[in-house]
Amino acid sequence: QKEVEQNSGPLSVPEGAIASLNCTYSDRGSQSFFWYRQYSGKSPELIMSIYSNGDKEDGRFTAQLNKASQYVSLLIRDSQPSDSATYLCAVIQSGTSYGKLTFGQGTILTVHP
Amino acid sequence: NAGVMQNPRHLVRRRGQEARLRCSPMKGHSHVYWYRQLPEEGLKFMVYLQKENIIDESGMPKERFSAEFPKEGPSILRIQQVVRGDSAAYFCASSPPGIGTDTQYFGPGTRLTVL
Repeated sequence: QKEVEQNSGPLSVPEGAIASLNCTYSDRGSQSFFWYRQYSGKSPELIMSIYSNGDKEDGRFTAQLNKASQYVSLLIRDSQPSDSATYLCAVIQSGTSYGKLTFGQGTILTVHP
Repeated sequence: NAGVMQNPRHLVRRRGQEARLRCSPMKGHSHVYWYRQLPEEGLKFMVYLQKENIIDESGMPKERFSAEFPKEGPSILRIQQVVRGDSAAYFCASSPPGIGTDTQYFGPGTRLTVL
C-alpha cells in the first residue's frame, strides 16, 4: 500500500464546474496535510494546508480532512482553464517534527472551456 | 522578498561527471529540503538540512550523493559520477524556523540531464 494515494485521473471537468480531488494516506498518526499545484515543467506551489478535521476554505478552494477515514480532499469551485495542472497531495507522517513531505503521485486536472 | 532560488536551472552532464546543484532559501528561512522528481514519478524527499547540520538524509542514496548547508552561502546537493538514472528535476524547498516550519516553499528546480 502506498503511503499517500491519489485518484489517478486524469480528471477532466468543464469550465465553471466543481473539480474534486481525493487523497488517502496510510499513517493514521499524520497531522499535517497539504495540497500543491504543479504546472507542467514548473515547481510545486502551495495551495492549502489543513491540520484539523473539517473544511478549510480559501477563495475557490476548499480542503476537507477526515482523520478517522484517513482522507483529505480538495474542491475547486468555478473551475477555470488556468486551473489545469497536476495537483499533489502531501502529508507529514507521525513521528516527524519537521516538514518532511510524503507526496502522492498527483492527479492531472484538465478544465476545458 | 525574493523566493527560493536554485541554479543552474538546467544542467547537462555526461556519465561519470559531477553535478553540483545550489539552493538559496528565502530570506529568514533556515531550513532546507531537497526533493527529486523522476520522469513520470512523484516527488520524493531526499534530505533535510539546517545551517551546518544534516538532520535527515533518509531519502538520499547512500552512494554518490551528498548535501551540505554551510553557515554562509547556499545549500549544495552534489552528485558524483552521475549515471543516466540521475536525470530528474531536483527541487529545493525552504521554511522558516519556529512555528510553521512544516510549510515549505519550493524553488524553480534544477533539471539535470545525464547523457
